[in-house]
Amino acid sequence: ETGVTQTPRHLVMGMTNKKSLKCEQHLGHNAMYWYKQSAKKPLELMFVYNFKEQTENNSVPSRFSPECPNSSHLFLHLHTLQPEDSALYLCASSQEGTSGGVREQFFGPGTRLTVL
Amino acid sequence: QQQVKQSPQSLIVQKGGIPIINCAYENTAFDYFPWYQQFPGKGPALLIAIRPDVSEKKEGRFTISFNKSAKQFSLHIMDSQPGDSATYFCAALPSGSARQLTFGSGTQLTVLP
Repeated sequence: ETGVTQTPRHLVMGMTNKKSLKCEQHLGHNAMYWYKQSAKKPLELMFVYNFKEQTENNSVPSRFSPECPNSSHLFLHLHTLQPEDSALYLCASSQEGTSGGVREQFFGPGTRLTVL
Repeated sequence: QQQVKQSPQSLIVQKGGIPIINCAYENTAFDYFPWYQQFPGKGPALLIAIRPDVSEKKEGRFTISFNKSAKQFSLHIMDSQPGDSATYFCAALPSGSARQLTFGSGTQLTVLP
């Protein structure tokens, strides 16, 4: 596996279900991110982990719960979601602390989530 | 202050045409401006990026033009091909950080054969 992988690629869940999204980065990066992508809207940054510590939580509802057990893995735990939470959820990683140079975030393919 | 405004929302050109996508920002702390390309079923991938100390950067058929005083930047695709059909996002980063990437709303480009 190379780059950033995400599983599952598609997920359909009811409003009362509990599910988890998984992300793994094989790039040796030290920062990982969850984004929400809805049609015709900018990507919305949800959570940022830097060196496994959560550094940003952009006012995300508590029905979304992130977990970063190590610098290569990131989870997004979902419970009692709403239909408006249906979207593409993207994971990304980057190498923090580099001065100058390209500050690129590498994205996974995303999980297409549908909440019924 | 953090917003990046992108236009147009969608764009259709003939093969060989030069589509232009525009972005504008307000936050003067931004000092790195990447463009991402996203194909259906894939995550965004970095296409080209520019810093405000240059007015233009070219990589292959892709060119970024940057106007620091107007706080605007644009992506030009020369000799566009059907394989360039994708959604393009501009973005901006403040100095010293890779974390606070602010995206535009995206432009869906279709290049007709």
